Amino acid sequence: DIVMTQSPDSLAVSLGERATINCKSSQSVLYSSNNKNYLAWYQQKPGQPPKLLIYWASTRESGVPDRFSGSGSGTDFTLTISSLQAEDVAVYYCQHYYSTQYSFGQGTKLEIK
Amino acid sequence: EVQLVESGGGLVQPGGSLRLSCAASGFTFSSFEMIWVRQAPGKGLEWISYISSSGSSINYANSVKGRFTISRDNAKSSLYLQMNSLRAEDTAVYYCARDHIAPGIGWFAPWGQGTLVTVSS
Repeated sequence: DIVMTQSPDSLAVSLGERATINCKSSQSVLYSSNNKNYLAWYQQKPGQPPKLLIYWASTRESGVPDRFSGSGSGTDFTLTISSLQAEDVAVYYCQHYYSTQYSFGQGTKLEIK
Repeated sequence: EVQLVESGGGLVQPGGSLRLSCAASGFTFSSFEMIWVRQAPGKGLEWISYISSSGSSINYANSVKGRFTISRDNAKSSLYLQMNSLRAEDTAVYYCARDHIAPGIGWFAPWGQGTLVTVSS
């Protein structure tokens, strides 16, 4: 089974500053047949279900602000918020879909400094 | 409007059973793959089960394999999770979620609001 590990566990960033969250998979989630990374990112605010932000490691879901971006390939991935807004306070999760034995990272809690 | 509504949660004693339901509306349920994900109080997301659109392919996390059974009734646009031999560590909010596209790839949206299962004597 693929294990997803995020870092850091928590992060405090000033409003307007950049926030960076990392996700590492225990094996590559890059499919050589289509050169796509089978990696998604979600945002979860308190009392709400998760919301899809990014898939294919870097494709923003419709309606997601362009301050959110994803990058990386193989086993190492990054979610970047270019200019932190108050409404971005949440827990962020990565998820692989390389197989239907899915798994999530443990989450990164993002707060305002 | 695409909607998923979970039900069936509640308080159950250790060793007991519970059946969760997820009612889908606003889309062609039979075309989409579905999953169950749980979240223990104050903890992260844990994927626990997957079912293909036809129901012919199923997967479970090791933590629930042999105790939980996922199923679906496409005629009723409903997803189910039969939970047996429940343990205290199964206490969590249980979410159902739909694959975002059909045929599915594996990223999930939307999600239901969740139903709380509490296992305690």
